[in-house]
Amino acid sequence: GAVVSQHPSRVICKSGTSVKIECRSLDFQATTMFWYRQFPKQSLMLMATSNEGSKATYEQGVEKDKFLINHASLTLSTLTVTSAHPEDSSFYICSAINRGLSRTEAFFGQGTRLTVV
Amino acid sequence: GNSVTQMEGPVTLSEEAFLTINCTYTATGYPSLFWYVQYPGEGLQLLLKATKADDKGSNKGFEATYRKETTSFHLEKGSVQVSDSAVYFCALGDSGGGADGLTFGKGTHLIIQP
Repeated sequence: GAVVSQHPSRVICKSGTSVKIECRSLDFQATTMFWYRQFPKQSLMLMATSNEGSKATYEQGVEKDKFLINHASLTLSTLTVTSAHPEDSSFYICSAINRGLSRTEAFFGQGTRLTVV
Repeated sequence: GNSVTQMEGPVTLSEEAFLTINCTYTATGYPSLFWYVQYPGEGLQLLLKATKADDKGSNKGFEATYRKETTSFHLEKGSVQVSDSAVYFCALGDSGGGADGLTFGKGTHLIIQP
């Protein structure tokens, strides 16, 4: 299957700082990327959907000013957690779809473990 | 809204045992259903899928049948191997069969002992 690479896999940051997470589709063009968050022993929760070249659509309850998403190219989307707080500590995972090829399979990155201290 | 409920883990089995991981869902319309697997240190991988009622998805010896009458999509395998140890996620997509913005269950950690 297609490869989606997420970087970094783990990051520890101080409270109040910002952290950027990258999601790259290595061998296909991702027309749409999704960002999920998973708290311990909880489901992966969809945070936002981003289409290349347009603004992201955020799920209810997700602060768009805190979680900045950029999808400037067909192979890269970034999630920036701004002014991070300990409650933002979580596992963040992206997935990507090429709508022109198939809508029925999303390819996932390895995830990023964010710890805010 | 949509929701997915799957059995809590960890589930510990001996090699060659029969596996069932239960998954039930709540959704409007006719969603597509997926099972994803996450091996240690890796991203989620699609294991199998079904896009309409009574469809059976199968892959690597795993099977799941889309049961609309019971709103279920239980994952089964007749004889598990140590290499099947992973976290399994049941997920629900949109009615067009797409994997857009999936709704996931909490995941079930499966441990297979030799």
